[in-house]
Amino acid sequence: NAGVTQTPKFRVLKTGQSMTLLCAQDMNHEYMYWYRQDPGMGLRLIHYSVGEGTTAKGEVPDGYNVSRLKKQNFLLGLESAAPSQTSVYFCASSDRADSYNEQFFGPGTRLTVL
Amino acid sequence: GNSVTQMEGPVTLSEEAFLTINCTYTATGYPSLFWYVQYPGEGLQLLLKATKADDKGSNKGFEATYRKETTSFHLEKGSVQVSDSAVYFCALSASWGGNTPLVFGKGTRLSVIA
Repeated sequence: NAGVTQTPKFRVLKTGQSMTLLCAQDMNHEYMYWYRQDPGMGLRLIHYSVGEGTTAKGEVPDGYNVSRLKKQNFLLGLESAAPSQTSVYFCASSDRADSYNEQFFGPGTRLTVL
Repeated sequence: GNSVTQMEGPVTLSEEAFLTINCTYTATGYPSLFWYVQYPGEGLQLLLKATKADDKGSNKGFEATYRKETTSFHLEKGSVQVSDSAVYFCALSASWGGNTPLVFGKGTRLSVIA
């Protein structure tokens, strides 16, 4: 099993450009999450999904959109990138059957917005 | 609301020193508690967990005990190694059933020098 994978690993954007980050998991997990990690801020939840076709806002959703068209994929979109969105983005997934919600993380995508 | 507070770093120790990273939480009900570790350039990995009061989680020589009376989950290791250098995150899951995202502390960077 590959676990949780993220594409791309690195990206540099100019202000105003758009992009989509892809997260894929092969563990048949129901729940998927997008976090951003910034120095001194820990991990902050952007959006999450509790199943195919569903999404919900997290702590810092502004400027981002998500879609969960397939159970194994969770896409994070930036429609008009801003320098404040420079960050490392992590995707995670967890199993609905796990009462304690252990999450499995991808390796991250480092995004720089100039 | 639910929150996690962990000691600020960075923490620098010599090899074979004793490690404690403090973590306290605020939550309603009976949360599950986790320590995640992030090695340089990687995503987060679960280090250990505890799901009820007085439980002790342990892994790779690390231990943490769920203390409900002090709402704490401090991470300890008796003898650290250079390979333990990483960022450590305390987290809680406040909902049984897995549909509530984890709440993370801000992370503590540990550097172990030979």
